[in-house]
Amino acid sequence: QTVVTQEPSFSVSPGGTVTLTCGLTSGSVSTSYYPSWYQQTPGQAPRTLIYNTNTRSSGVPDRFSGSILGNKAALTITGAQADDDSDYYCVLYMYSGNNYVFGTGTKVTVL
Amino acid sequence: QVQLQESGPGLVKPSETLSLTCTVSGYSVSSNYYWGWIRQPPGKGLEWIGTIFHSGNIYYNPSLKSRVSISLDTSNNQFSLRLTSVTAADTAVYYCARDRRYFDWSFEYWGQGTLVTVSS
Repeated sequence: QTVVTQEPSFSVSPGGTVTLTCGLTSGSVSTSYYPSWYQQTPGQAPRTLIYNTNTRSSGVPDRFSGSILGNKAALTITGAQADDDSDYYCVLYMYSGNNYVFGTGTKVTVL
Repeated sequence: QVQLQESGPGLVKPSETLSLTCTVSGYSVSSNYYWGWIRQPPGKGLEWIGTIFHSGNIYYNPSLKSRVSISLDTSNNQFSLRLTSVTAADTAVYYCARDRRYFDWSFEYWGQGTLVTVSS
């Protein structure tokens, strides 16, 4: 069973920058995995932030950006705001099995 | 405006079958996109369950494949999830979402989620 790993937590100051990553326990993440990113606050459904590695979903502020950094997908928040205090999940499309695997999630605290 | 809404029993007994329906408004389930189910146990992460297309193409999470089935009701613009032989480990918030499979392989337009508890 493929495991998609994310950092358990990050803390960032208001106005600061934080980069979350999404990796594989075996292998490298590339654009062929079509990484996407989702933001979730407690009690709410996930909200789509980024798809196809680096395309922002409609209405998503440009302080959120996606990329490939080394062998992982990455989500960078530049100029963090209090509203960004949330859980963040990545998803990879596993083309070998034609299925999706969610990452373990990262809790971002803005303080 | 595309909207999705999950519905179904909030309590299911162990060993029985969990059944949920997702009603879609603002877009036809017979059109260009796939439709999927995702779940989240309390305090834990998200897990993809499976996805269906109106042509009959269906994809399931290998870890759940033996117990899960997804179907489409085009006349009511709905799709449904059935999970058999449930245990406490199946207690979760279940979400439905539009799956952009073969476009950009992401999920958009999520339902608000419905909590299903497995307990006697």
